[in-house]
Amino acid sequence: KAGVTQTPRYLIKTRGQQVTLSCSPISGHRSVSWYQQTPGQGLQFLFEYFSETQRNKGNFPGRFSGRQFSNSRSEMNVSTLELGDSALYLCASSLSRQETQYFGPGTRLLVL
Amino acid sequence: GENVEQHPSTLSVQEGDSAVIKCTYSDSASNYFPWYKQELGKRPQLIIDIRSNVGEKKDQRIAVTLNKTAKHFSLHITETQPEDSAVYFCAASKGRSGGSYIPTFGRGTSLIVHP
Repeated sequence: KAGVTQTPRYLIKTRGQQVTLSCSPISGHRSVSWYQQTPGQGLQFLFEYFSETQRNKGNFPGRFSGRQFSNSRSEMNVSTLELGDSALYLCASSLSRQETQYFGPGTRLLVL
Repeated sequence: GENVEQHPSTLSVQEGDSAVIKCTYSDSASNYFPWYKQELGKRPQLIIDIRSNVGEKKDQRIAVTLNKTAKHFSLHITETQPEDSAVYFCAASKGRSGGSYIPTFGRGTSLIVHP
């Protein structure tokens, strides 16, 4: 099976702009989680989607949002970008909500 | 919520030596402990995992041990090779228990294997 894919792989934005990142899970996987990875904070959980519904949310401001489509593909959106949003954004999919997560290659976002 | 501490943050070994990375967790309800390896510029890859009904699991040169009483688990890599150089993350979750299965990750250990 093809692995988790994410697009785009790299993004450069300026402060105040918004960005949308996309994640396609492994075929048959219905749960998608998003993480922010930075050198100082490690892997921080953003949110989890299952059956098009947000099931869990991490401790991030409302500027971070997401959604999941009926085919399990997911998008996350960050509005009013700040310099501190520069990070690697990883999505991970799992077969169900209680199974092992498999990560995508990530989208590296740079905010100038 | 769950808190996972991981040590050391950096580990430097000579090729052929063993490497041990240790993690402690706070929530006694956690019952699933995966380990991920992330090479530079690549995605985290699951390398081994263990569930709380097992004390040890081995896969070739990699082994994980779990002490539920002390709430700590460790990754052991024997006969290290330069390609083992990467950042290793431990995690703890309550998978399959009906609770939140979202894993809490340790801060990572940068393993450097010198040829």
